[in-house]
Amino acid sequence: DQQVKQNSPSLSVQEGRISILNCDYTNSMFDYFLWYKKYPAEGPTFLISISSIKDKNEDGRFTVFLNKSAKHLSLHIVPSQPGDSAVYFCAAGVGGSNYKLTFGKGTLLTVNP
Amino acid sequence: NAGVTQTPKFQVLKTGQSMTLQCAQDMNHNSMYWYRQDPGMGLRLIYYSASEGTTDKGEVPNGYNVSRLNKREFSLRLESAAPSQTSVYFCASSEVGSGNTIYFGEGSWLTVV
Repeated sequence: DQQVKQNSPSLSVQEGRISILNCDYTNSMFDYFLWYKKYPAEGPTFLISISSIKDKNEDGRFTVFLNKSAKHLSLHIVPSQPGDSAVYFCAAGVGGSNYKLTFGKGTLLTVNP
Repeated sequence: NAGVTQTPKFQVLKTGQSMTLQCAQDMNHNSMYWYRQDPGMGLRLIYYSASEGTTDKGEVPNGYNVSRLNKREFSLRLESAAPSQTSVYFCASSEVGSGNTIYFGEGSWLTVV
């Protein structure tokens, strides 16, 4: 039973346009949500996060939106750059001493020059 | 600035052989994790250790054992490797209160033939 779902395996956008990556979750206990970026043959790197008490968090070109009632979050990248081409993983966790993250299957973003 | 270091980076095993993946972190984090990544499956948690002296099963623990040797080191052992354990393995660490970010190593590519 997938608790974190990324329903789009891939997304292709033009350089300079907006990229929107989506993620849905089923566990209402999740209170931290993170996005990771992964290049081939490298480990995932942290991109941006949001806690359940917020509905938006922004860091430069990256913005994460959280809609708790819909159990949905999205990552917006504006403007998209060719270097953003990577696999993006959505992850969620429950805060506390036994903290661990549950990941979605990932979305491959390709930004075309 | 090493962060999370995993060894070996690549390994080929024969079915039934045993091996241990080593992981060390230099960020003084309490929590450590082992994930595996398979095509189309995202990252799945094998085992984690919330603090030195404790270990807990994750989503896919069968066929693996772990040891939290000290605060810095967390090893993953395959006692009798199977082809289904061919995967990329990622070690990670985190500290509660540091934004709940989990930091990953660069990965270990394991092939079981």
